[in-house]
Amino acid sequence: DGGITQSPKYLFRKEGQNVTLSCEQNLNHDAMYWYRQDPGQGLRLIYYSQIVNDFQKGDIAEGYSVSREKKESFPLTVTSAQKNPTAFYLCASSITGIPTEAFFGQGTRLTVV
Amino acid sequence: AQTVTQSQPEMSVQEAETVTLSCTYDTSESDYYLFWYKQPPSRQMILVIRQEAYKQQNATENRFSVNFQKAAKSFSLKISDSQLGDAAMYFCAYRGYTGNQFYFGTGTSLTVIP
Repeated sequence: DGGITQSPKYLFRKEGQNVTLSCEQNLNHDAMYWYRQDPGQGLRLIYYSQIVNDFQKGDIAEGYSVSREKKESFPLTVTSAQKNPTAFYLCASSITGIPTEAFFGQGTRLTVV
Repeated sequence: AQTVTQSQPEMSVQEAETVTLSCTYDTSESDYYLFWYKQPPSRQMILVIRQEAYKQQNATENRFSVNFQKAAKSFSLKISDSQLGDAAMYFCAYRGYTGNQFYFGTGTSLTVIP
């Protein structure tokens, strides 16, 4: 079955530590996205990538970093510079060129302890 | 930049009744897609329905339909014969032809009352 897999589902991090969230897709989509979801704020774009080895900052990129070395993978690193990292993170992918829908992973709940 | 506004943070509906969720958007593009996504308690985002702006006919998927008014930049979702499983957060989203970004509203939390 084609889809997007995010791992882990739950993640705990100590303050001051970096942590990487995994996102893998086998839909052969060129575009991939990372969103942060907080209560009452909808989905806010952190980073997106339209092609391998290229990515753009979204609205709330500070304290986050990404890489896109393979078409299938778009990992997100939450660095210690992110002041309030506790949130629900969603990864998505889509076809480029034709504005069809985004497909989402199951999400990762990150909690800083 | 495009903006999507959902002015109803919370809505409720009696089971088997009909409810309409509102969405407005702002864009200077003439061609684009609009979407409604459902996020149940599992938090998995599920596509409910999509509308191509160049199509005048409103999209329909079983009990879900939209009222798309391009001139008014309005895209409401109507849920008929509401079921308990419809209880979820609903997000309206926009995607234009000139970029690959999606723009989401802040969501409407729908409660279905038995």
